[in-house]
Amino acid sequence: GNSVTQMEGPVTLSEEAFLTINCTYTATGYPSLFWYVQYPGEGLQLLLKATKADDKGSNKGFEATYRKETTSFHLEKGSVQVSDSAVYFCALTSNAGKSTFGDGTTLTVKP
Amino acid sequence: EAGVVQSPRYKIIEKKQPVAFWCNPISGHNTLYWYLQNLGQGPELLIRYENEEAVDDSQLPKDRFSAERLKGVDSTLKIQPAELGDSAVYLCASSLESGRGEQYFGPGTRLTVT
Repeated sequence: GNSVTQMEGPVTLSEEAFLTINCTYTATGYPSLFWYVQYPGEGLQLLLKATKADDKGSNKGFEATYRKETTSFHLEKGSVQVSDSAVYFCALTSNAGKSTFGDGTTLTVKP
Repeated sequence: EAGVVQSPRYKIIEKKQPVAFWCNPISGHNTLYWYLQNLGQGPELLIRYENEEAVDDSQLPKDRFSAERLKGVDSTLKIQPAELGDSAVYLCASSLESGRGEQYFGPGTRLTVT
């Protein structure tokens, strides 16, 4: 079956530091890839997505590139803020519409 | 537009009791999902509906869990009887269509079984 493996957390950074959260996947065919973010007490919300190889998703300063050759979709941000503290989930949706999520990475940004 | 609505937000019950969760998806969203999320883990799909039809319920423990989506809008997930291991957050999500689109999540229902 499909699977998503995320970098284990928690991750703690100082404000304005560079962020990378690694995500690799296993899937047949050409899935769509997503990053969702969950702020404390809230539901998951879409951060960015990419639907085909070499696509770059971006939003709120976050970026991730769909790398078919390395089956990866790493999340990056050049300068994190305290408000970015949350849990980040990497996910894929197969061509058949089946979604698989990683276990999440908790990010804490300190001022 | 209004987001996905779930109720209740929190529920505490004793084991062997029944419990039900309700979800109202975003208007016009044909696809509805129920997920289970354990602490420190990602959401795991329980069931996916396309309109009124359950198209993927392979992970739903059918001996105690049931779900319905009447008229292709609201949905109810039921557990009867609840077990201690059912303590988790139950998430509902919806999307315009199945396939490669993003999902919109509700805030979840946190169930505690004592």
